[in-house]
Amino acid sequence: QSALTQPRSVSGSPGQSVTISCTGTSSDVGAYNYVSWYQQHPGKAPKLMIYDVSLRPSGVPDRFSGSKSGNTASLTISGLQAEDEADYYCCSYAGGYTSWVFGGGTKLTVL
Amino acid sequence: QITLKESGPTLVKPTQTLTLTCSFSGFALSTSGVGVGWIRQPPGKALEWLALIYWNDDKRYSPFLKSRLTITKDTSKNQVVLTMTNMDPVDTATYYCGGVIITTTFDYWGQGTLVTVSS
Repeated sequence: QSALTQPRSVSGSPGQSVTISCTGTSSDVGAYNYVSWYQQHPGKAPKLMIYDVSLRPSGVPDRFSGSKSGNTASLTISGLQAEDEADYYCCSYAGGYTSWVFGGGTKLTVL
Repeated sequence: QITLKESGPTLVKPTQTLTLTCSFSGFALSTSGVGVGWIRQPPGKALEWLALIYWNDDKRYSPFLKSRLTITKDTSKNQVVLTMTNMDPVDTATYYCGGVIITTTFDYWGQGTLVTVSS
């Protein structure tokens, strides 16, 4: 089973903003600032969009932003575009030999 | 240019051992801080982290699958190998290798390889 909890789906219209939550525990999300977010289009490999809670890799638009409060991390996408429609997964470092845990994924629909 | 590519069988029988190879280029697994790991995704389901090996041969495994997994590296060949024993139909998934190279997480991914477990 997935260790991090995400909403199954979110939606928004072009130009709007959406936020996807990712709830973990004090052993993963709450313990480390190593939360990352991935975008996955159908049939494609995941693409890193946010790492270390709020940092963007080179080439990722600044419409994508990340934050964290307590045991919950969030991904916000502003100025929604059609190409943002995809599945989004959060991931957190969990320390020790557990190391990495993923969320269950959220399907973003651009209306 | 950093690339990773998975290779291995597309079909394995129940109880068999799966061996997957991740061949990579554009970085060295001997560089401090670098790691290569494996993540899988059953059809229509979420990503699941399996294992990770670091430049210093530090190995990490999913606690749920630890007894079945072994990860090794061959730095000279730029390859990382994952073996998973006692395969079951529920292990049917696309298996990805991912590199922890520039950032602190899986920042580069292979294209994935679909492994089906069926008799």
